Amino acid sequence: EDQVTQSPEALRLQEGESSSLNCSYTVSGLRGLFWYRQDPGKGPEFLFTLYSAGEEKEKERLKATLTKKESFLHITAPKPEDSATYLCAVQALGDYKLSFGAGTTVTVRA
Amino acid sequence: GAVVSQHPSRVICKSGTSVKIECRSLDFQATTMFWYRQFPKQSLMLMATSNEGSKATYEQGVEKDKFLINHASLTLSTLTVTSAHPEDSSFYICSARDERTKETQYFGPGTRLLVL
Repeated sequence: EDQVTQSPEALRLQEGESSSLNCSYTVSGLRGLFWYRQDPGKGPEFLFTLYSAGEEKEKERLKATLTKKESFLHITAPKPEDSATYLCAVQALGDYKLSFGAGTTVTVRA
Repeated sequence: GAVVSQHPSRVICKSGTSVKIECRSLDFQATTMFWYRQFPKQSLMLMATSNEGSKATYEQGVEKDKFLINHASLTLSTLTVTSAHPEDSSFYICSARDERTKETQYFGPGTRLLVL
């Protein structure tokens, strides 16, 4: 069974204080690892898909990286608008379902 | 591109009534859509996979007779919560698989269901 573990559960940052979120996963064969952002009361917003170890993707202050066992989401010089819950999900080969982690709630104070 | 809508965004109903939630892919066709449920402070739990023109596939523990899914077109899937009870109150979110972008799933804004 696919397993996704995210840490920490919550992260409080000062504006401009860079940090990283971790997503550890176990899957029989990885089709893709997905990062989403979810604001309270809303559906998840797609951020990145990573397909193979060593791959990196960037979007504004966010950068996602992937190894064979984990993924990191780096937030560089965060702003208050980066406050959200960040969800990691894996998709196994031969399947289209996503298995989600519990998420990391990031709060950025001005 | 890749926009998914849900309707209604919020619904309050009496116990015992049925509620239908619509999920639409607005700018792409989706042969596969997914229905999730999310309780407060928890992550998304997959309920079922909706396939256009065929029966939905339900996850273990999800009652298919209670949560009826219909995927009659390439842009619309519906979830009907039959004989809703207070324990069915939750945040229901759909997603649609976009085959153009390597199987990325795009999510709708969610439907908040409150059963009194």
